[in-house]
Amino acid sequence: EDQVTQSPEALRLQEGESSSLNCSYTVSGLRGLFWYRQDPGKGPEFLFTLYSAGEEKEKERLKATLTKKESFLHITAPKPEDSATYLCAVHYGGSQGNLIFGKGTKLSVKP
Amino acid sequence: GAGVSQSPRYKVAKRGQDVALRCDPISGHVSLFWYQQALGQGPEFLTYFQNEAQLDKSGLPSDRFFAERPEGSVSTLKIQRTQQEDSAVYLCASSSSGQPGEKLFFGSGTQLSVL
Repeated sequence: EDQVTQSPEALRLQEGESSSLNCSYTVSGLRGLFWYRQDPGKGPEFLFTLYSAGEEKEKERLKATLTKKESFLHITAPKPEDSATYLCAVHYGGSQGNLIFGKGTKLSVKP
Repeated sequence: GAGVSQSPRYKVAKRGQDVALRCDPISGHVSLFWYQQALGQGPEFLTYFQNEAQLDKSGLPSDRFFAERPEGSVSTLKIQRTQQEDSAVYLCASSSSGQPGEKLFFGSGTQLSVL
């Protein structure tokens, strides 16, 4: 069965304490892996797309990497405003509907 | 508009009532998606449109759920005879082309509570 698993479910960090979030997937025919950020009461906001193993993308304090089985979202020196739920989604196959989201990692950064 | 707009923001329905949820995508966006998000879960795919054509409705949980996009812009998700298990946030998203896997722009959702 095609699956996307994110860990940990929740992560508490002190401001400035770097860490990583994990997204592992088991799908056939990966077309792209997406990271989104979701704030309470809002819809997900796009962060990155990764298409092939070895690819990396960066934006401010965030860096996303991809292997054949998983992706990591590295957060360097986080700030309280980075607190949110981070969602991973995997697109596979040829249909636009073939996009599976993980349950997300809820990140809290304390000052 | 500047972003994807959904209305109403909150909807409370009595069990058995019909509801209609509206989505205004970003102007010119070809693809439109509906997702259902339960508390503490990731969004789950319901259906998607390319222009006015509904190309995939495999995620609709039952025949009580119906979606339309008659003129290729605004979309409505209708739920008939609502049940308590329909309580969730319904998210609409759009993307600029019909290419699979393009990034999605989400609205803030409609929170549906069925009593």
